[in-house]
Amino acid sequence: EVQLVESGGGLVRPGGSLRLSCAASGFTFSDYSMNWVRQAPGKGPEWVSSISSTSKYIYNADSLKGRFTISRDNAKNSLYLQMNSLRAEDTAVYYCARDTSSGISGNFDYWGQGTLVMVSS
Amino acid sequence: QSALTQPPSASGFPGQSVTISCTGTSRDVGGYVYVSWYQQHPGKAPKLLTYEVSKRPSGVPSRFSGSKSGNTASLTVSGLQAEDEADYYCSSYAGSNTFVFGTGTKVTVL
Repeated sequence: EVQLVESGGGLVRPGGSLRLSCAASGFTFSDYSMNWVRQAPGKGPEWVSSISSTSKYIYNADSLKGRFTISRDNAKNSLYLQMNSLRAEDTAVYYCARDTSSGISGNFDYWGQGTLVMVSS
Repeated sequence: QSALTQPPSASGFPGQSVTISCTGTSRDVGGYVYVSWYQQHPGKAPKLLTYEVSKRPSGVPSRFSGSKSGNTASLTVSGLQAEDEADYYCSSYAGSNTFVFGTGTKVTVL
């Protein structure tokens, strides 16, 4: 059974940093691209970042302006999102989502339960 | 990139069909086959219903079908069931290695 379990969310002050993790199991992690998608309270999903299976290709939402960095460790079956210079508008549930292929297609077939990031003073 | 436009709500009686539209531009929906649809129940993660316009992942009932014409994609739910009451979102490749979601449609089963 495919499982994606996010961790690392919490309350952080504006300007602070957080590192989210996603532990994957139930499939060959190194065969799939992975993604982060966030959803602000009461809003629709917003794509954040994608990374190909070998980390060769990385796509980021323009709105992030380089503040977030996606990475992965295939030996540890883990996906990460380093978030810096956090703002109130970054408050959201952050989901880890598997792509349907090794290349980045934007088709997210499995999702974790999400981890809540709250940016507030 | 701007969110794709969906109607805020749609409804139907059990057994009926409901179609949700997702309108973009030639730079996203109209320009690529990478259009997908998701269903989201309250407090849950989204679930992939269709991808690459009309493909269905294994386990998704055939009564969920996707299509596209020009800059508008559509999701049709046939034989509406109570458990289909949820929020639905479209998504598309938007060029320049980016993706965009739709504004969302709340489907109510009357």
